[in-house]
Amino acid sequence: AQTVTQSQPEMSVQEAETVTLSCTYDTSESDYYLFWYKQPPSRQMILVIRQEAYKQQNATENRFSVNFQKAAKSFSLKISDSQLGDAAMYFCAYRSTHTGANSKLTFGKGITLSVRP
Amino acid sequence: SAVISQKPSRDICQRGTSLTIQCQVDSQVTMMFWYRQQPGQSLTLIATANQGSEATYESGFVIDKFPISRPNLTFSTLTVSNMSPEDSSIYLCSVGGERAEQYFGPGTRLTVT
Repeated sequence: AQTVTQSQPEMSVQEAETVTLSCTYDTSESDYYLFWYKQPPSRQMILVIRQEAYKQQNATENRFSVNFQKAAKSFSLKISDSQLGDAAMYFCAYRSTHTGANSKLTFGKGITLSVRP
Repeated sequence: SAVISQKPSRDICQRGTSLTIQCQVDSQVTMMFWYRQQPGQSLTLIATANQGSEATYESGFVIDKFPISRPNLTFSTLTVSNMSPEDSSIYLCSVGGERAEQYFGPGTRLTVT
């Protein structure tokens, strides 16, 4: 079974600075998907960024980018120019390429990010 | 991305009662997922609902406690039966996107007293 580990429960960043959130995972599969989701206090889960394991190039979405290290099974999220609206809980998630019920997401425990003005 | 609504957004229920949560999607989807998020915790998949077949439940979740209906391609319900305070959680439904991602509803916050 796949597992996702986020070992840092909380992090803090100064507004306009850069922060990196860590995530590691364990799988025996060679192809899969990885995601970062953001959950603000409104509790709405928002997709931040997506990475396909067969792609070596790291995904980027505006101020958000990932450092995907497949051999190390590491998938960290970098937030540049942090804004007050980035304050939220961030979840790393894994998804197999299989379909049907096996297309579920496996989440890490999450990390609470606070942004200091 | 799909637009997903859930009803109710929150409820306070007495122990021993049942609550049915509705999930409506603005487009037809094959798979719908139900997750539970206990206070301050991560999301745990309860079951996967495929239209026209029985839901597939994850280990630790049973149909008698969490019956699911999936009458068509845009709608699903999750019932939390014979509730206890341990069932106090946020319940979220989600659907699959075109690029393997999932989109989530706004969640239902359930408090059992």
